Amino acid sequence: KNEVEQSPQNLTAQEGEFITINCSYSVGISALHWLQQHPGGGIVSLFMLSSGKKKHGRLIATINIQEKHSSLHITASHPRDSAVYICAVRSRGGGADGLTFGKGTHLIIQP
Amino acid sequence: KAGVTQTPRYLIKTRGQQVTLSCSPISGHRSVSWYQQTPGQGLQFLFEYFSETQRNKGNFPGRFSGRQFSNSRSEMNVSTLELGDSALYLCASSLGNRLAGHGELFFGEGSRLTVL
Repeated sequence: KNEVEQSPQNLTAQEGEFITINCSYSVGISALHWLQQHPGGGIVSLFMLSSGKKKHGRLIATINIQEKHSSLHITASHPRDSAVYICAVRSRGGGADGLTFGKGTHLIIQP
Repeated sequence: KAGVTQTPRYLIKTRGQQVTLSCSPISGHRSVSWYQQTPGQGLQFLFEYFSETQRNKGNFPGRFSGRQFSNSRSEMNVSTLELGDSALYLCASSLGNRLAGHGELFFGEGSRLTVL
């Protein structure tokens, strides 16, 4: 069974700060997703990773397959980045490759 | 390009009833997956369909079922509703190519079910 751990669970920061959210998982995966959910809102996919690093605007996601770890970074954070960030992994092989989710990181960016 | 559409958005049922939720994926997407989100358990995978076949199933009782039609639209059904089934039910569509990690997920707004 794949376990997905996210840290921190809650994070409050000031506008402009550099933010890092971590995700660790326990078994081999075929893909890792970073998702964003605003209060009362739907879920938006930020990144899908299987190796290396991806960048969209102020968001950067990295993954280390050997260490079973991924990080999501937000540069020059802004109050509109306040949301829940969720890591999800798809296990590799065995035919049962549905997603397993972390508990999410509640991020608040104060102006 | 239209997004993923879920209906109904809100519904209230009583214990013992059954409910059917619908999900229309993005045009061209062949995979639809379903998720349950509750404050206590967070997001949990229910099942995934690809080209009308159930490809994966999460750890939920048999009261939870689904299907996918030839136009890729999907429905999920929950029978004999329990209070604990109150949740936000989300569906996501993707291209579904296993060799490419199934592809990026596009989520609907969800169907919020309240069981009284």
